[in-house]
Formats: sequence, structure tokens, C-alpha cells
Amino acid sequence: EPEVTQTPSHQVTQMGQEVILRCVPISNHLYFYWYRQILGQKVEFLVSFYNNEISEKSEIFDDQFSVERPDGSNFTLKIRSTKLEDSAMYFCASRDWALFNEQFFGPGTRLTVL
Amino acid sequence: AQTVTQSQPEMSVQEAETVTLSCTYDTSESDYYLFWYKQPPSRQMILVIRQEAYKQQNATENRFSVNFQKAAKSFSLKISDSQLGDAAMYFCAYSGSARQLTFGSGTQLTVLP
Repeated sequence: EPEVTQTPSHQVTQMGQEVILRCVPISNHLYFYWYRQILGQKVEFLVSFYNNEISEKSEIFDDQFSVERPDGSNFTLKIRSTKLEDSAMYFCASRDWALFNEQFFGPGTRLTVL
Repeated sequence: AQTVTQSQPEMSVQEAETVTLSCTYDTSESDYYLFWYKQPPSRQMILVIRQEAYKQQNATENRFSVNFQKAAKSFSLKISDSQLGDAAMYFCAYSGSARQLTFGSGTQLTVLP
């Protein structure tokens, strides 16, 4: 069964450093998403991406964040200058164009900012 | 903006018994989808069940079923014959015209042997 994959599973970085989180969505999916979950809190929407551009973004997704689909398979989230409060689990999700809005989640990347 | 509320931060159930998790939501849209996701300690997000708002019939997936009350904006999850593997955090989620998911704060379910 096809699945969304994410790398790395755990990333530790120093405050102020840039990080790139990588995702490989399900191959025939067209819509891609990033969510984050601070430990013990709910999952929050960051950004959606379709047709090589951002379609929606939340107020969390400020100028420090960017997304890219550098090739036909990868979908990346970049944080330019990490802050302590960026420590969270980051989930990538993808969906087909019409499949009940169902999104398939990757296993997540745990980001720790020291 | 849409909001999703889960008023039970924690619930517990005896193995083999039935438990119901509550969820309410607020929206002005008429066409939307509702989901229950399970998050075990691994923190993977696993889809449990989904409901299309235009369908009056409640969704069922094996031991999992929902009670969808559109007028009341209520979407509860019933787990029958609870198993130890059902222990997890459960999130209710809404998806409307904007397509992204809006999650509730979650209910931590403990299954007692």
C-alpha cells in the first residue's frame, strides 16, 4: 500500500540554524500539506500546496517558513532561522483530487531546537 | 473560521466494553467532511473513520461508528468491544471548502485490562 514518507525521523538543531524537512507524498496525489504538533497540543495546519504553489497558509506560516517541490517526488519544508518554539512534530500529508478530502499522513519528523 | 471542540481530554474504558468520544464543531458551510484520527504513542496519524456531511447515514468501520448530528454540529465516535490496541489519542477533524484539516484538542483514551 502506498504511503507518505518523511525524513529525517528526528532532527536536532541549534537555534538560528536552517532546517529542511523532507517528505515524499503518495505518487499520484496532487495536494500536499504540512502540519505541526507541539508536544501535548493539537495538530495545527501550516500550509497547503497545489500545482507548484501555495494554496493556503496559516498565520503560523510566516516568512521564516517556505515550501518547495524541487522535483517530481519530494516536498520540503524549510525553516530559515529556527527558534526554540519551533520544536514540534511536523507532519506531511497528501491527498488525491477527489478522495473525500482524506489526507494521508507521513510518520512525522520530530524537530528539537536547542 | 471553523472550530472543533473535544471536551473530554481523557477517557477510559474496560477492555471489551464500549466507549463514546465526543466532538462538536462550528461552521457556516453546508458541504464538508469530518474525520476521526488515532494517534498512538508512535505519533503516527491514522485515519479511523470519515463522514461526508451530505450523507445522513452514519459511517461505520468494523468496531468504530459515528453518531453524526448535522443540526447539532455533533460528531461522536463510538468504539465497541474495546481492545488494548485502541489506546491512543483520538482527534476529531473538520475539512471544508479550504480543504485543510482543522483538528480538535484530542481525547486520550486508556483501555483497562
